[in-house]
Amino acid sequence: DTAVSQTPKYLVTQMGNDKSIKCEQNLGHDTMYWYKQDSKKFLKIMFSYNNKELIINETVPNRFSPKSPDKAHLNLHINSLELGDSAVYFCASSQEGGQSEAFFGQGTRLTVV
Amino acid sequence: AQSVTQLGSHVSVSEGALVLLRCNYSSSVPPYLFWYVQYPNQGLQLLLKYTTGATLVKGINGFEAEFKKSETSFHLTKPSAHMSDAAEYFCAVSETAGNKLTFGGGTRVLVKP
Repeated sequence: DTAVSQTPKYLVTQMGNDKSIKCEQNLGHDTMYWYKQDSKKFLKIMFSYNNKELIINETVPNRFSPKSPDKAHLNLHINSLELGDSAVYFCASSQEGGQSEAFFGQGTRLTVV
Repeated sequence: AQSVTQLGSHVSVSEGALVLLRCNYSSSVPPYLFWYVQYPNQGLQLLLKYTTGATLVKGINGFEAEFKKSETSFHLTKPSAHMSDAAEYFCAVSETAGNKLTFGGGTRVLVKP
């Protein structure tokens, strides 16, 4: 039973398209995140939600819009995809509090052509 | 703002040799520190974490790390490398509030037979 699951695992799309990535966690955590890992493996937080409310938005372009319908789900919608959006996107969840470990999904490899 | 520096983007060790991965952080408040491992095409998995208390922390797969406040370091070690340790390793620091993880650049470990 996967703790944090995200779909799809691979996504290849053309520039200008709109796409969504879905994430679900069954750990009962209050906080969910989206992280981006670039081609050099560098990981950076994009968004953080706590109980469906946006807590962190790390200067991400407006083309990226997260949505949390409930605290177990956090989806990421991307409009007008650009070549530079190609990356691996990780969903994660944790209990509230900086000492809590984050549990990560398997990642979605997005390739924009 | 917090930051994490991992010295060495690549480390090559022989099977059975000591693994030492270096991590230094900057933080204006007592940090929570984490080591994660990423196997190819997978998400991140927690190896160990330091929150409070004992400064020598033991984790999974025989890894341990020592928090040294005076040196602002949290180096990861394993006495004897195994082929299965080949992976990317990330050091991360968390703020006391907000759960945001700030990652180092990662260190790729190659294990030679």
